[in-house]
Amino acid sequence: GAVVSQHPSWVICKSGTSVKIECRSLDFQATTMFWYRQFPKQSLMLMATSNEGSKATYEQGVEKDKFLINHASLTLSTLTVTSAHPEDSSFYICSARGSHRGNEDTGELFFGEGSRLTVL
Amino acid sequence: ILNVEQSPQSLHVQEGDSTNFTCSFPSSNFYALHWYRWETAKSPEALFVMTLNGDEKKKGRISATLNTKEGYSYLYIKGSQPEDSATYLCAYDKVIFGPGTSLSVIP
Repeated sequence: GAVVSQHPSWVICKSGTSVKIECRSLDFQATTMFWYRQFPKQSLMLMATSNEGSKATYEQGVEKDKFLINHASLTLSTLTVTSAHPEDSSFYICSARGSHRGNEDTGELFFGEGSRLTVL
Repeated sequence: ILNVEQSPQSLHVQEGDSTNFTCSFPSSNFYALHWYRWETAKSPEALFVMTLNGDEKKKGRISATLNTKEGYSYLYIKGSQPEDSATYLCAYDKVIFGPGTSLSVIP
């Protein structure tokens, strides 16, 4: 299947700093990428949807100025947590949708491995 | 607010046992229901995409059924193996996830 790589796997930062998480589709063009957050013992919660070359669409309650999403190319989307605070500590994971090896969109999502953020 | 529920939250079975769990979702304006398998420290892996009422899909020992009128899907695992141990997630229309069912298969 298609491969999505997410980096870093885990990061620890000081309160007030910004952290960037990358999500790359390695063998297909990801026209749409999704960013999720998961708190302990809870479901994956969609934060935002990003389409290549356009502004991300944020879910209700997600601050777009705090969680900056850039999807400048068909293979890379980034999530930047700005001025991170301890309450931003969470597991963040991306998924991508797009044509794979020239096929039509199958409707499948391909996930990254996730990034665990700890803000001290 | 759309809500997707899964039950049970966790499940322990003996190797060789068959098992099943449930995903409940809103039955109105249904588009698609996705099942994923998520092993610890790995990426969630797509199992099935189900779109039609009455759909039944199978991949090896794992199968799933769909009832869009009543808003539920069942995932079945026949003859569970230790490598089936994972969290099984369902997602409504790709973006609304259930909390998952954590399956542990005891050798």
